[in-house]
Amino acid sequence: NAGVMQNPRHLVRRRGQEARLRCSPMKGHSHVYWYRQLPEEGLKFMVYLQKENIIDESGMPKERFSAEFPKEGPSILRIQQVVRGDSAAYFCASSPVPPPLGYTFGSGTRLTVV
Amino acid sequence: DQQVKQNSPSLSVQEGRISILNCDYTNSMFDYFLWYKKYPAEGPTFLISISSIKDKNEDGRFTVFLNKSAKHLSLHIVPSQPGDSAVYFCAASDPSGTYKYIFGTGTRLKVLA
Repeated sequence: NAGVMQNPRHLVRRRGQEARLRCSPMKGHSHVYWYRQLPEEGLKFMVYLQKENIIDESGMPKERFSAEFPKEGPSILRIQQVVRGDSAAYFCASSPVPPPLGYTFGSGTRLTVV
Repeated sequence: DQQVKQNSPSLSVQEGRISILNCDYTNSMFDYFLWYKKYPAEGPTFLISISSIKDKNEDGRFTVFLNKSAKHLSLHIVPSQPGDSAVYFCAASDPSGTYKYIFGTGTRLKVLA
């Protein structure tokens, strides 16, 4: 019974490149949440998705960031034209419906922009 | 605007003693509070929660206390064990959508053997 799987664990991108982060939810979970943790800060909510729908993207930067959770396959967080300030740990969590208190996070993807 | 604050970045405690981790918040509309534990290179793991209508919740060695008038909560770990060494995050569920959490910056707990 695998937990939330994120890949890659580490991703290095040069400024201006695109970063794609993947999140496979736990079996039976249809809701996915993405959070970002900048250095020396707490996790910050980015987006909440269910399959084929974005429910709440209030925490997503207005430009360069997008997220999807297709009918088949993992959820993808996409960052276009990365900048140094995008360097952070990106965590994904999943939950069944309705979301319980305290959902399960994956191990994260650490993005480094050089 | 930091709505959830953990003012102690680190804490060291002797094995077997009590660990007390503190958290303050500013928004009186928060309904639920949570504690997460995070080991290096892993994701945060949910530990314990408390509803704003309660003042205490206990689960084994872990107890969370809520003082609404002071907008303060604390996590007590008794007795502390070396395996408890981790970063602890306090979080509150956002009133605009209880599925999203507002996290503090974390407190690194080190339990000394």
